Amino acid sequence: SQQGEEDPQALSIQEGENATMNCSYKTSINNLQWYRQNSGRGLVHLILIRSNEREKHSGRLRVTLDTSKKSSSLLITASRAADTASYFCATDRNTGANSKLTFGKGITLSVRP
Amino acid sequence: DVKVTQSSRYLVKRTGEKVFLECVQDMDHENMFWYRQDPGLGLRLIYFSYDVKMKEKGDIPEGYSVSREKKERFSLILESASTNQTSMYLCASRTKIFGKNIQYFGAGTRLSVL
Repeated sequence: SQQGEEDPQALSIQEGENATMNCSYKTSINNLQWYRQNSGRGLVHLILIRSNEREKHSGRLRVTLDTSKKSSSLLITASRAADTASYFCATDRNTGANSKLTFGKGITLSVRP
Repeated sequence: DVKVTQSSRYLVKRTGEKVFLECVQDMDHENMFWYRQDPGLGLRLIYFSYDVKMKEKGDIPEGYSVSREKKERFSLILESASTNQTSMYLCASRTKIFGKNIQYFGAGTRLSVL
């Protein structure tokens, strides 16, 4: 069953602008992760934020997590054409050593040169 | 770097054929996963394996089976392919070490069933 739901479904911005993508989920989680997928390829892990963290940075990426609202946002600053891809949030409920990720449907980001 | 290799990027099969999708990882990961990805539906988990010879059904296991005889290899089997199994199939692996629950994906296999 899908738990993460991303918003918007598609986003088109100009190079140099910031891109903000949101993810909402339904149940309590241990951590939330963001992945990126270039067209026709597999997913690549971007960043993980734990339930006791509120914000995390990695290069041009900034992720926030609000467990009271069950939501997360991914901000890409100073976007580049190479950031064009689909972005997925994934939630981990940590039901044990064999816990699974539940992925959202993804956001398609287009960055115009 | 972790490498997850899927044996084929593109496959075309006929209805009723038995299809094998192979996935190999080189990082001694205990957990391996098979997903299918369809437009508008995102990633859906078909099966996963938490160790050799161990498997568990995911959200959409119907029409599929899996095999994990060796730790590095996880195979997805379509016993009798049908047109509604045309999709992108993604394999992933992950270590069981606590706090290291990031999944590493292969490049995907785009399967067309005619």
